Amino acid sequence: RKEVEQDPGPFNVPEGATVAFNCTYSNSASQSFFWYRQDCRKEPKLLMSVYSSGNEDGRFTAQLNRASQYISLLIRDSKLSDSATYLCVVPRGGYQKVTFGIGTKLQVIP
Amino acid sequence: DADVTQTPRNRITKTGKRIMLECSQTKGHDRMYWYRQDPGLGLRLIYYSFDVKDINKGEISDGYSVSRQAQAKFSLSLESAIPNQTALYFCATSDSAGAREQYFGPGTRLTVT
Repeated sequence: RKEVEQDPGPFNVPEGATVAFNCTYSNSASQSFFWYRQDCRKEPKLLMSVYSSGNEDGRFTAQLNRASQYISLLIRDSKLSDSATYLCVVPRGGYQKVTFGIGTKLQVIP
Repeated sequence: DADVTQTPRNRITKTGKRIMLECSQTKGHDRMYWYRQDPGLGLRLIYYSFDVKDINKGEISDGYSVSRQAQAKFSLSLESAIPNQTALYFCATSDSAGAREQYFGPGTRLTVT
């Protein structure tokens, strides 16, 4: 299994829809995780952290499933402005480095 | 002003040329990173530095070198550019409290012909 795996998509969804992405990881020792958002040809920016208890920020919910070693990102009531690539990030090496997934591309359609 | 800046933003160079990409940050962070991003491969770590005297290779350091001139400056050099080094290069910083949020510069789009 790769360190971090994501479905590259694209996920094409209509405005107002709910969409979810998963990201699987191989290192069972990883403790905390992150979702970043990257707009086309721009730098990645932190969207939210993922804790054991999950994390919710407005329309965005991140969950961790340790038993199956994946994290998820749920976006409710999708907006056109949510169109971007979502990168899953997993720490490694005692938190000294991280591994980025290849990203899942979301396109929200009017 | 941006917290992490990169120069140049775009560069076209020829095979065999030496080129330097520069990164500066005003966040006061100790940790700095250089990544490259290629379609379908995601972000890959080239080098990272946890302070001025600490330089470490990432998973794809061959053909690259770095210099940490000061806490705020971290430069990436391509000793002899080759076409497969054509990519989008990002500099990033983070504080020393583990692998917390990384702040990225706007990127340098490098094309080697």
